[in-house]
Amino acid sequence: NAGVTQTPKFRILKIGQSMTLQCAQDMNHNYMYWYRQDPGMGLKLIYYSVGAGITDKGEVPNGYNVSRSTTEDFPLRLELAAPSQTSVYFCASSWGRDTDTQYFGPGTRLTVL
Amino acid sequence: GQNIDQPTEMTATEGAIVQINCTYQTSGFNGLFWYQQHAGEAPTFLSYNVLDGLEEKGRFSSFLSRSKGYSYLLLKELQMKDSASYLCALPGGYQKVTFGIGTKLQVIP
Repeated sequence: NAGVTQTPKFRILKIGQSMTLQCAQDMNHNYMYWYRQDPGMGLKLIYYSVGAGITDKGEVPNGYNVSRSTTEDFPLRLELAAPSQTSVYFCASSWGRDTDTQYFGPGTRLTVL
Repeated sequence: GQNIDQPTEMTATEGAIVQINCTYQTSGFNGLFWYQQHAGEAPTFLSYNVLDGLEEKGRFSSFLSRSKGYSYLLLKELQMKDSASYLCALPGGYQKVTFGIGTKLQVIP
């Protein structure tokens, strides 16, 4: 099993550009999450999904959108990139609810200039 | 709401024992996680405690006291590869987990 995969690993965007961060898991997990991690701030939840077709906002959803058309994929869309979105983005998945172990992808390091 | 406090940084010597503390406040307790995160890498699961007491897994042990809102991670026989950040995390219901900022541990020779 590949586990949780993310692409790209690194990306530099100009202010106002858009992009999609890809995330896929092959563990047949129902729950998937997007976090951002900034120095000294810990992991912050952006969006999560409890199954195909079902998504909900986390703590810091502004400026982002998600979709979940399949169990495997959970892309994160950035519209009109801003410098405040410079961060490391982690995708994670778990079998069930919040008390289940989360498995993280390797991360995408995004810089907006 | 939920709140987690951890020391920001710690330094310990190779071969020694180190204890990383985590104190928390939560309106509803559903267990406590510890994750390890090496620099530039993803967090990986270490332990999940839901009952009071000490759970041992090889060189790593995790302790929980629900009445005190307190947990610690105990690392024995420290190795250089244990240099990493250690994240304390609380399941908060509604499929959400709150992560602490993490304790960056540096192991020195």
